[in-house]
Amino acid sequence: SQKIEQNSEALNIQEGKTATLTCNYTNYSPAYLQWYRQDPGRGPVFLLLIRENEKEKRKERLKVTFDTTLKQSLFHITASQPADSATYLCALGGGTDKLIFGTGTRLQVFP
Amino acid sequence: DGGITQSPKYLFRKEGQNVTLSCEQNLNHDAMYWYRQDPGQGLRLIYYSQIVNDFQKGDIAEGYSVSREKKESFPLTVTSAQKNPTAFYLCASTSTGLREKLFFGSGTQLSVL
Repeated sequence: SQKIEQNSEALNIQEGKTATLTCNYTNYSPAYLQWYRQDPGRGPVFLLLIRENEKEKRKERLKVTFDTTLKQSLFHITASQPADSATYLCALGGGTDKLIFGTGTRLQVFP
Repeated sequence: DGGITQSPKYLFRKEGQNVTLSCEQNLNHDAMYWYRQDPGQGLRLIYYSQIVNDFQKGDIAEGYSVSREKKESFPLTVTSAQKNPTAFYLCASTSTGLREKLFFGSGTQLSVL
């Protein structure tokens, strides 16, 4: 069955460093991948979408890569700030009307 | 401001009771979705609707029902047949299909008394 894996352990980094979150998938060939941010008790907020024919996408301090050979996406936050602390979800889509979400990785940026 | 409004924020269900979660959007989106979120699990799709008066089951539709009588509204009923209803419920919408971003509401936390 289709499976998405995000590191279930929290990622703790120091302010100013680059945070890198991983999304791995199996038994799936997505046409695109999305990343969302979710704060406690709130709904996810869309951040970036990257398509299968794109290697990299950037938006301000955010960068996403998509390697369909490795079946992996990396999500980078450069110059991280305490306000970046949240849970980040990846979601895969393509071919159907459904997105498949990962469990999310909690990021904690400390001063 | 455009957006998705879910209500109530917190809801308690007694055993054997049906409860309805509200979801309203003023984004003029055609497609609407209901997800369930449990700790340590990804969002799971309950039901979705791409057009008024039509909806499809998602991956975990058993024990739930929906209606789509208006474009703006997509209420979810958690029936007594849903034996484990405690979860965080999220409503979402999108304009032109899933290749675009989903807009989520702020969620409803449902608990069993």
